[in-house]
Amino acid sequence: DTGVSQDPRHKITKRGQNVTFRCDPISEHNRLYWYRQTLGQGPEFLTYFQNEAQLEKSRLLSDRFSAERPKGSFSTLEIQRTEQGDSAMYLCASSSQGAASGTQYFGPGTRLTVT
Amino acid sequence: SQQGEEDPQALSIQEGENATMNCSYKTSINNLQWYRQNSGRGLVHLILIRSNEREKHSGRLRVTLDTSKKSSSLLITASRAADTASYFCATDAGGNNRLAFGKGNQVVVIP
Repeated sequence: DTGVSQDPRHKITKRGQNVTFRCDPISEHNRLYWYRQTLGQGPEFLTYFQNEAQLEKSRLLSDRFSAERPKGSFSTLEIQRTEQGDSAMYLCASSSQGAASGTQYFGPGTRLTVT
Repeated sequence: SQQGEEDPQALSIQEGENATMNCSYKTSINNLQWYRQNSGRGLVHLILIRSNEREKHSGRLRVTLDTSKKSSSLLITASRAADTASYFCATDAGGNNRLAFGKGNQVVVIP
């Protein structure tokens, strides 16, 4: 257990439905990242928050995706009008800013299946 | 795009043997990290090596970094069945410390 939690762990949804995932980072970490991982591949960066500010978004993050971190603590990732291609593991990670930073601590992930 | 590329992709060894994996990358980096992932689970951080370091040890793990060749290696000594997992290298090249992962190495340790 890294201290990063994600909810739900699994989500099965029908194409066209909206889904929302939650990530609770390690409490003292001000940096939060979302990644997506498909079968047989490494994780791919989606977006990054420093405190409550979303500072970077990947081109992978289409208009159907939105992420928030309203109070600089937990974060949510919403996918609207899901497509079968959205089926993947969605991973959240957090880290602290500072001279010793760099290590990211990952949550267990939310596995999304779009039918 | 993913920057790290591990080689070999799959490795099967007997318990007690050493396992070596390599990773190459394309751009300048701040640091390089290795992660382990057990089937269907989240990633566990193993070790971080900074761009000004050449070698680092942590328990049975040894990581090397050659910035001139843009490559890194991970050595697991005296492997155990519990080391069976996928191993990913990830490079930190940007100001936001976002990671670019390779495709991973699947390591199977046979008891």
